[in-house]
Amino acid sequence: SAVISQKPSRDICQRGTSLTIQCQVDSQVTMMFWYRQQPGQSLTLIATANQGSEATYESGFVIDKFPISRPNLTFSTLTVSNMSPEDSSIYLCSVEGRAVYNEQFFGPGTRLTVL
Amino acid sequence: TQLLEQSPQFLSIQEGENLTVYCNSSSVFSSLQWYRQEPGEGPVLLVTVVTGGEVKKLKRLTFQFGDARKDSSLHITAAQPGDTGLYLCAECLGGSQGNLIFGKGTKLSVKP
Repeated sequence: SAVISQKPSRDICQRGTSLTIQCQVDSQVTMMFWYRQQPGQSLTLIATANQGSEATYESGFVIDKFPISRPNLTFSTLTVSNMSPEDSSIYLCSVEGRAVYNEQFFGPGTRLTVL
Repeated sequence: TQLLEQSPQFLSIQEGENLTVYCNSSSVFSSLQWYRQEPGEGPVLLVTVVTGGEVKKLKRLTFQFGDARKDSSLHITAAQPGDTGLYLCAECLGGSQGNLIFGKGTKLSVKP
């Protein structure tokens, strides 16, 4: 399994500002994913980030709000733009495991609170 | 859209007790994954079940996949405080890599 780290682990931000979350993997992976876990809720996929191409966003998520970078096969960033209190969530990145079973390995998450 | 229903939503038990949590769907799963998420951490994959009727064991955890592949259960024997966490089932939507659909989870608390 891959070792995944995220920075920051948590942050408290003001309404209207933006925060960039970093995800680093200890091995090269083709696909990286970003999820949101709102308080008391399960995980929802925001987008899939592939190196060398634009991220693919799920319904309800747009690039202007959640721009993603994927400069190489071990790193990705997710920016939460123009934040509001409704963006308070845990943001998780993950990488592919055994593709045949669509398994994923998750980072520890970034806990974001927007005041 | 396939919906994963997990039950119970919350479970609080004493150390040493046994418990079972469930994951059900209205549709057939291609495969199903169980994850455990501890506070402040990301989900950790426990097991993937693929074949209807399959039973997999991971120490004190027993995972079953229904014959019709529309339900799954996780049984924990002699629960310990270290088992505390959020247990999530997940299935891949439409066969596309990455788009895992998660249930809302069962939040388990094991008191010493």
